[in-house]
Amino acid sequence: AQSVTQPDIHITVSEGASLELRCNYSYGATPYLFWYVQSPGQGLQLLLKYFSGDTLVQGIKGFEAEFKRSQSSFNLRKPSVHWSDAAEYFCAVGAEQAGTALIFGKGTTLSVSS
Amino acid sequence: DTEVTQTPKHLVMGMTNKKSLKCEQHMGHRAMYWYKQKAKKPPELMFVYSYEKLSINESVPSRFSPECPNSSLLNLHLHALQPEDSALYLCASRGPGGLNEKLFFGSGTQLSVL
Repeated sequence: AQSVTQPDIHITVSEGASLELRCNYSYGATPYLFWYVQSPGQGLQLLLKYFSGDTLVQGIKGFEAEFKRSQSSFNLRKPSVHWSDAAEYFCAVGAEQAGTALIFGKGTTLSVSS
Repeated sequence: DTEVTQTPKHLVMGMTNKKSLKCEQHMGHRAMYWYKQKAKKPPELMFVYSYEKLSINESVPSRFSPECPNSSLLNLHLHALQPEDSALYLCASRGPGGLNEKLFFGSGTQLSVL
């Protein structure tokens, strides 16, 4: 079965501390992997994506993610969190064909403490 | 232009009303999506259009009727909705393929059904 698991429902990080959000996937074909961020009442903003090539991908706002095929993981990291990073983060997986569905994880809520 | 534009941003409608949500993109993407998102939940896929043809319908009730009049435009016609249909409705488009593949989301229409 195709699925995305984000084990952490809610994470609180101190401002300036490092962050890692976990994502594990189960997918039958070669996965296309995405991380999105969503502020309340807003749409989803793409942070980064992985299709092939270098397994460490850089995204916007200082985020990066590492694809580990052996662990079926695509964890999101940021070395120093800012208060404005507080939001909902979604990991998603899809197939190569553009007309296929994107499967989302349940999301991780990030809170940033001062 | 790297945007998916959704109108209106907010919509309040009664259960007997007929309304339409509109989504537009000018990136040449040939796959377009409608998602429904409840608060604190991941987006749920409703419909996928690929090359202006409906390719996926996730068993959505007939009171939701999608339409793709051309490659840039996607509509969602609403009729006789229920209060539980209140949610954020997100449109997305995907393309152009290969290493430049991206899935862009609009900022959504916040729908309230009274």
